[in-house]
Amino acid sequence: DTAVSQTPKYLVTQMGNDKSIKCEQNLGHDTMYWYKQDSKKFLKIMFSYNNKELIINETVPNRFSPKSPDKAHLNLHINSLELGDSAVYFCASSQDQEVSPLHFGNGTRLTVT
Amino acid sequence: QKEVEQNSGPLSVPEGAIASLNCTYSDRGSQSFFWYRQYSGKSPELIMSIYSNGDKEDGRFTAQLNKASQYVSLLIRDSQPSDSATYLCAVLYNTDKLIFGTGTRLQVFP
Repeated sequence: DTAVSQTPKYLVTQMGNDKSIKCEQNLGHDTMYWYKQDSKKFLKIMFSYNNKELIINETVPNRFSPKSPDKAHLNLHINSLELGDSAVYFCASSQDQEVSPLHFGNGTRLTVT
Repeated sequence: QKEVEQNSGPLSVPEGAIASLNCTYSDRGSQSFFWYRQYSGKSPELIMSIYSNGDKEDGRFTAQLNKASQYVSLLIRDSQPSDSATYLCAVLYNTDKLIFGTGTRLQVFP
């Protein structure tokens, strides 16, 4: 069984479109995250939620809006997509923010043309 | 200064050698440190965590932490071609934000 699953795996779209990426974890973890990995492999945190509550909101354009309907789901909606949004987006979860490891989903490769 | 720094590599070592990967961090208050391995096209996976000064060994992997020098390292003994990957150092800031370095690409050649 997949622990952290995100869909879609690939997303190709044009500038200006709006798209969503979905993430679900079946580990019973309280905290979920969105990370962005750019072409240079730099993995940068975007958001984190703990029990549906927003904990971390990094300097991310407000075109990015996370939504957590329950603690097992954290979706990412992106409005007015730009070329610079092209990256791999990873969802992750952890039981405890302080010491437990992150479990990553398989990533969504977003390509904006 | 970047929050977590790593040499991007590539670090090339022959099979059977010891690979040494290094990481420095800027926040003196950080208490939790992790090493993740990422194969090309895959997601990062945790291989080691360390919370106190000194060495921590797990199989062929040894993590070393020196909080006074703000330095974390990962040693891989008896390196195998299957160890070829990008190794990401991660440091927990403010008890809630895991910050990653840019990763070091390791190449183990037969």
